[in-house]
Amino acid sequence: GQQVMQIPQYQHVQEGEDFTTYCNSSTTLSNIQWYKQRPGGHPVFLIQLVKSGEVKKQKRLTFQFGEAKKNSSLHITATQTTDVGTYFCAGRTSFQKLVFGTGTRLLVSP
Amino acid sequence: GAVVSQHPSWVICKSGTSVKIECRSLDFQATTMFWYRQFPKQSLMLMATSNEGSKATYEQGVEKDKFLINHASLTLSTLTVTSAHPEDSSFYICSARKSESGDYFGPGTRLTVT
Repeated sequence: GQQVMQIPQYQHVQEGEDFTTYCNSSTTLSNIQWYKQRPGGHPVFLIQLVKSGEVKKQKRLTFQFGEAKKNSSLHITATQTTDVGTYFCAGRTSFQKLVFGTGTRLLVSP
Repeated sequence: GAVVSQHPSWVICKSGTSVKIECRSLDFQATTMFWYRQFPKQSLMLMATSNEGSKATYEQGVEKDKFLINHASLTLSTLTVTSAHPEDSSFYICSARKSESGDYFGPGTRLTVT
């Protein structure tokens, strides 16, 4: 079945450092979404990318969708302690469902 | 806004009993809702797709007779875990699809089966 892998699995950074998580799908996606889940919380929708090669920014967060629509990345510039959590990508296939990536857990030390 | 609620937020039940979890979209209508299961420090695994007015579509390996899903209205889907066992203990999360703006997740229900 379809798989969506994320790397790294875990990253610990100092506040102010940059952070990037990469998402790779085994199949072509119709779109990709990114979610953030705080410890003990539920996933919160961040953004959706639809077009091949699309780049979107939300303040310090930059999201990219690959040309082949099989990979994506999330880059955080100058991390803050409030960025702590697990970041999931989720790819939507030609069917209705979302397939979640394995997630990247981010820890930010002050 | 796009608010999704779940009830209960946590539940403890005895082995062999059934538990019903409700998922409601509070400020929008959702023809499609989804049920996920999440084990500690793991990703969300889709269990089933719930479509209003029709039967749910279950993912491979999910027992439809054990996890009963009913989507009776455009704002409510329910998941009933029947004859629960300790291995069913998990975090169950629903989401509701709001057209093309994304899927909005409920706060989750933590089920503990003793």
